[in-house]
Amino acid sequence: GENVEQHPSTLSVQEGDSAVIKCTYSDSASNYFPWYKQELGKRPQLIIDIRSNVGEKKDQRIAVTLNKTAKHFSLHITETQPEDSAVYFCAAQGGGADGLTFGKGTHLIIQP
Amino acid sequence: DTAVSQTPKYLVTQMGNDKSIKCEQNLGHDTMYWYKQDSKKFLKIMFSYNNKELIINETVPNRFSPKSPDKAHLNLHINSLELGDSAVYFCASSQSGGRYEQYFGPGTRLTVT
Repeated sequence: GENVEQHPSTLSVQEGDSAVIKCTYSDSASNYFPWYKQELGKRPQLIIDIRSNVGEKKDQRIAVTLNKTAKHFSLHITETQPEDSAVYFCAAQGGGADGLTFGKGTHLIIQP
Repeated sequence: DTAVSQTPKYLVTQMGNDKSIKCEQNLGHDTMYWYKQDSKKFLKIMFSYNNKELIINETVPNRFSPKSPDKAHLNLHINSLELGDSAVYFCASSQSGGRYEQYFGPGTRLTVT
């Protein structure tokens, strides 16, 4: 089955700096790669996703890049703000009704 | 107009009991999922289900079973609860065929004593 590795497990950055979280996956059949943000005690919420036919996608301060050859994808957050503090999960999914395989999460801490 | 809802929000029960968690979505999706988030925050797929197939993660004990009375509901039944079943259980839904956003419910925190 699919295996998703995520690094780092904890990331502390100064407010206004950029944050980068990296993930690798093992199943070359995976073709959908979402990123979820989870605040303490809340549900995971999608912040951005990318499909295998696209190499990069951007939405305001958030961007995701995908390298299918190397089987890795990354989340980039620019101009970080205190409200960006949360746990971020990457995930991968194949076709059909397969569920998401999640990475183990990155606890992002924005230092004022 | 909650998209994905779960009941109950909290569930405290004793070992050996049988319990159910209910999930409903009003998004018109035809694929629903159950995920388990353990104390280390690891999120793991348990089941995916649409009107054509049920996919079961091979690591899920057969004490867990999904029941879908219709496309808008996917309930989770757990028999003979064990201490290790304590976790937060999330229901989610999406359009079919994969590659679509999954919308998560608010979660049910299950505590087995």
